Amino acid sequence: DTAVSQTPKYLVTQMGNDKSIKCEQNLGHDTMYWYKQDSKKFLKIMFSYNNKELIINETVPNRFSPKSPDKAHLNLHINSLELGDSAVYFCASSHTPGQLNSPLHFGNGTRLTVT
Amino acid sequence: RKEVEQDPGPFNVPEGATVAFNCTYSNSASQSFFWYRQDCRKEPKLLMSVYSSGNEDGRFTAQLNRASQYISLLIRDSKLSDSATYLCVVSSTDSWGKLQFGAGTQVVVTP
Repeated sequence: DTAVSQTPKYLVTQMGNDKSIKCEQNLGHDTMYWYKQDSKKFLKIMFSYNNKELIINETVPNRFSPKSPDKAHLNLHINSLELGDSAVYFCASSHTPGQLNSPLHFGNGTRLTVT
Repeated sequence: RKEVEQDPGPFNVPEGATVAFNCTYSNSASQSFFWYRQDCRKEPKLLMSVYSSGNEDGRFTAQLNRASQYISLLIRDSKLSDSATYLCVVSSTDSWGKLQFGAGTQVVVTP
């Protein structure tokens, strides 16, 4: 009965590789997000999709490409991985973004290590 | 200047004591405010939303001061299980869906 699930939980890979992280939510939310939490613990939004439509695209290298096949799924594909991409990536979902009665629900994170 | 700033701590609190800390935000158009809790190597989880008049949830009390642009969190009768990082989260109507996170305040409750 996991609400927001993302896989894999750990990902160790070499520079230059391409990898994907998958996310699925069963909460019936319209909006999904990808956040990056770096070593300094700052959570920064990367992308947000509402009903499969991209609504937020922060200054993220175009090596990162989100894909939302339906509103319950938001995957993240990363090309040509770099050392600086090492971080924890969190998927999240919500109803109406930013409203008091619409908090974010996070997945348990994917810890990406690029060697 | 960061949009959301927090004292990183750590706040070392004896069990049973009260601890309080603030979070300041720079965007006066900010409309929604939240406190999230993040345990080590875990995902953030909503602790409570912050309402204009302030609100309480058990041992936790949140306040909003729009004039000075800060929110606060007070924890009474601290438990060992309250040890975590508390993230301040702010959203504004002019950034649809973009919640701004603070870097967090670490609280360590000691026996």
